[in-house]
Amino acid sequence: QKEVEQDPGPLSVPEGAIVSLNCTYSNSAFQYFMWYRQYSRKGPELLMYTYSSGNKEDGRFTAQVDKSSKYISLFIRDSQPSDSATYLCAMKEGSNTGKLIFGQGTTLQVKP
Amino acid sequence: EAQVTQNPRYLITVTGKKLTVTCSQNMNHEYMSWYRQDPGLGLRQIYYSMNVEVTDKGDVPEGYKVSRKEKRNFPLILESPSPNQTSLYFCASSFRDRGSTGYTFGSGTRLTVV
Repeated sequence: QKEVEQDPGPLSVPEGAIVSLNCTYSNSAFQYFMWYRQYSRKGPELLMYTYSSGNKEDGRFTAQVDKSSKYISLFIRDSQPSDSATYLCAMKEGSNTGKLIFGQGTTLQVKP
Repeated sequence: EAQVTQNPRYLITVTGKKLTVTCSQNMNHEYMSWYRQDPGLGLRQIYYSMNVEVTDKGDVPEGYKVSRKEKRNFPLILESPSPNQTSLYFCASSFRDRGSTGYTFGSGTRLTVV
């Protein structure tokens, strides 16, 4: 079993839809949770970051962490064609570590 | 401009011919790391370094070497490349003790071993 599981999709939605992306994990020591966005032929870029459990909102993006269920989510409201990309979740145990584990990534296509 | 620079962007080589992929960052980051990205497997960490002369194995270190002699540089060395090392490679860097910043990634190196 992989430490971090993510449905690779692809996920196709119409413009304006609410998108839900999810990851599950098995390591209860994870404390820092991140979402990266990767456009085609580019390196991943940090989109959202959450420490421990709870919600975090940034514009149209909301990240949620449920440590009791070992489950994290990224919601995108009013999705746009420019949101079409691969979204990767990532996690690490502490701030003082360079070991960052990624999920497989979910490919999202937002159709105009 | 703050960035992580990898070279080369594309590389085709033959089995067994030693190669080095360079990585440099200009942000004074303590942490640096190498990942490979393969379809269906996502990003897998090869090695990471938390400071000069300090390196640790990631999840897939076999067949790779790294060194961190200077803070800004973190080269990836394939002593005897094999076809199963054909992949897209990313170098990344971040500050220490700032979980919120995450890694900043380079643009990638697409390696093909024939």
